[in-house]
Amino acid sequence: RKEVEQDPGPFNVPEGATVAFNCTYSNSASQSFFWYRQDCRKEPKLLMSVYSSGNEDGRFTAQLNRASQYISLLIRDSKLSDSATYLCVVRGSGGTSYGKLTFGQGTILTVHP
Amino acid sequence: DTGVSQDPRHKITKRGQNVTFRCDPISEHNRLYWYRQTLGQGPEFLTYFQNEAQLEKSRLLSDRFSAERPKGSFSTLEIQRTEQGDSAMYLCASSWQANTGELFFGEGSRLTVL
Repeated sequence: RKEVEQDPGPFNVPEGATVAFNCTYSNSASQSFFWYRQDCRKEPKLLMSVYSSGNEDGRFTAQLNRASQYISLLIRDSKLSDSATYLCVVRGSGGTSYGKLTFGQGTILTVHP
Repeated sequence: DTGVSQDPRHKITKRGQNVTFRCDPISEHNRLYWYRQTLGQGPEFLTYFQNEAQLEKSRLLSDRFSAERPKGSFSTLEIQRTEQGDSAMYLCASSWQANTGELFFGEGSRLTVL
């Protein structure tokens, strides 16, 4: 089983739509979670951290369910500029693994006019 | 430009040759990471350093791969006896130890093995 699993998509949505991505992780001891964004032929960049209580950043909402080992990202009012690959990222649980960040496969989002 | 820089940006080599990539991290960052990414996949962890110490190395990494960070600044990733399956984008990233998970990536070094 992969450490971090995502539905690769692609998701094709019209502007203004709400879209949600899911991610599961295998190590129940993992403590920190993130969403990264990667534009076509570009390097990944941090989009937002995911906190236990859930958190929002503008149109983006991240949720964590530790019991189910599940992370989600919700994008409201999609913009053309949201088209990208969204990567779910999990930090290692302890010791030297604490610094290791494991990326999921990524979910491709295309927002069309 | 004070971001992460990687060199070379592109490398084409024949199977069996050795290649070396260099990464210069953001100067105040003490952690440096190497990832590999192929088309349609997320970055795959290879190894990371804290200062000059290599703290973790992927079990998926064969003995043909070696990385160094001799003075805790720049790093090199060497691949010996390259195989066609090594063709990928090799990404370097750096971060500050106290940061909560923000890696700053370079633009990558693309390797093509013929």
